[in-house]
Amino acid sequence: EPEVTQTPSHQVTQMGQEVILRCVPISNHLYFYWYRQILGQKVEFLVSFYNNEISEKSEIFDDQFSVERPDGSNFTLKIRSTKLEDSAMYFCASSEKNRNTEAFFGQGTRLTVV
Amino acid sequence: GQQVMQIPQYQHVQEGEDFTTYCNSSTTLSNIQWYKQRPGGHPVFLIQLVKSGEVKKQKRLTFQFGEAKKNSSLHITATQTTDVGTYFCAPSGKLIFGQGTTLQVKP
Repeated sequence: EPEVTQTPSHQVTQMGQEVILRCVPISNHLYFYWYRQILGQKVEFLVSFYNNEISEKSEIFDDQFSVERPDGSNFTLKIRSTKLEDSAMYFCASSEKNRNTEAFFGQGTRLTVV
Repeated sequence: GQQVMQIPQYQHVQEGEDFTTYCNSSTTLSNIQWYKQRPGGHPVFLIQLVKSGEVKKQKRLTFQFGEAKKNSSLHITATQTTDVGTYFCAPSGKLIFGQGTTLQVKP
């Protein structure tokens, strides 16, 4: 069964460092999403991406965040200068269309900022 | 934008009891999706509801979409310990989740 894969599964970084979280969406999917989940809290929407551009973003997704689809298969989330409060589980998801189809989630990357 | 509110935030039930979570929107929704996240896991799609008044069943789970397409519910009959997790609703398209209802089941 096709799946969304995320790497690494766990990333530890020092405050102020840049991190890149990687995702490989399902190959025929066109819509991509990033979410974060702080421990014990709800799943928060960060950004959606379609046709090589951002289609929606939340207030959380400020100038410190960026997304890219560099090579037609990977979908990355970059955090330029990490803060302690960026520590969370980050989920990537993809869907074939943006309506009337389910989204498939990756297993997540746990980011720990120290 | 389309935001949904879920109640209750937490629910503890004895195994065998029923459970219901509600998802409410201030605006009319085109359709709605439900996801389940097991503890330590990632969200997994359960179902999508599209039509006004639609009712869909998956074994012990019953999903409803309100007539006005502003609310939805998930009802679990005779809960089991495998039902433990957080249940999220989200309008299709934007996929911005509600805050979820976390279900704990006491054996």
